[in-house]
Amino acid sequence: DIQMTQSPSTLSASVGDRVTITCRASQSFSSWLAWYQQKPGKAPKLLIYQTSRLDSGVPSRFSGSGSGTEFTLTISSLQPDDFATYYCQQYHDYPLTFGGGTKVEVK
Amino acid sequence: QVQLQESGPGLVKPSETLSLTCTVSGGSISNYYWSWIRQPPGKGLEWIGYTYYSGSTNYNPSLKSRVTISADTSKNQISLRLSSVSAADTAIYYCAKGQGYTPGSWGHGLLVTVSS
Repeated sequence: DIQMTQSPSTLSASVGDRVTITCRASQSFSSWLAWYQQKPGKAPKLLIYQTSRLDSGVPSRFSGSGSGTEFTLTISSLQPDDFATYYCQQYHDYPLTFGGGTKVEVK
Repeated sequence: QVQLQESGPGLVKPSETLSLTCTVSGGSISNYYWSWIRQPPGKGLEWIGYTYYSGSTNYNPSLKSRVTISADTSKNQISLRLSSVSAADTAIYYCAKGQGYTPGSWGHGLLVTVSS
C-alpha cells in the first residue's frame, strides 16, 4: 500500500493567512492525488483532483501542486469557512489511501 | 446534481453481516465508479472498495475476505455487505460517486455501531 503522511497534523491560523499543507507519499507517482475538506459532522468534500484541478464550485483561493512523493495544498487567503480538516488521498494505485488529516483551527 | 443516500441498520451484532444501500437520485449510476469509504468516530478515512456500474470491483486487501460491493442499475443503487463484523467495524460509512477514479460526490454517511 502507498502510505500518505500529512504535515502538520494541526495548524493554527488567522483569517487572511496563507496556509500550506504537505502530503508525502511512500512511493513516487505523478498526478493521481486528491484533496478533501471535512467539517465536523459532515461528509468530506472533494476540493482538488489530479494534483491541481479544482472541482466544480471550489474557490480559486485553493490550489494544489506537487509530484513524486511530495504534494501541497495551499489556501492563498484563509476565509472563515475554511476552518476544517483536510485530507490528501492517492489514487495512483489500489488500495486508495488517505493521509491522516490536517486540522486547520483558529489561532 | 446527483444525490447519494446511505441506508441500513445503525446497529449490528458482532459476527453478523453489515448490509448497507446507497440510493442515487438525480442521475444514473451508469458509467461511473462507486466507492464505499468508512471513518471510525473521531478518526481518519479508510477506502473499502469500489464497483463499476457494469459489475467489476476492487476491494481493500485489509477487508477483501469479508466485503462485497455491487451495483443494481434497475434500482440505481449500490450495496455494501461486510461479514463477520466486530467492534473495529464501528464507523460512519459513506458511499461516493467517482470523479474519474477518485471519490467525488459523497453521501451524508451512516453511523453503524457494532455491539451486542
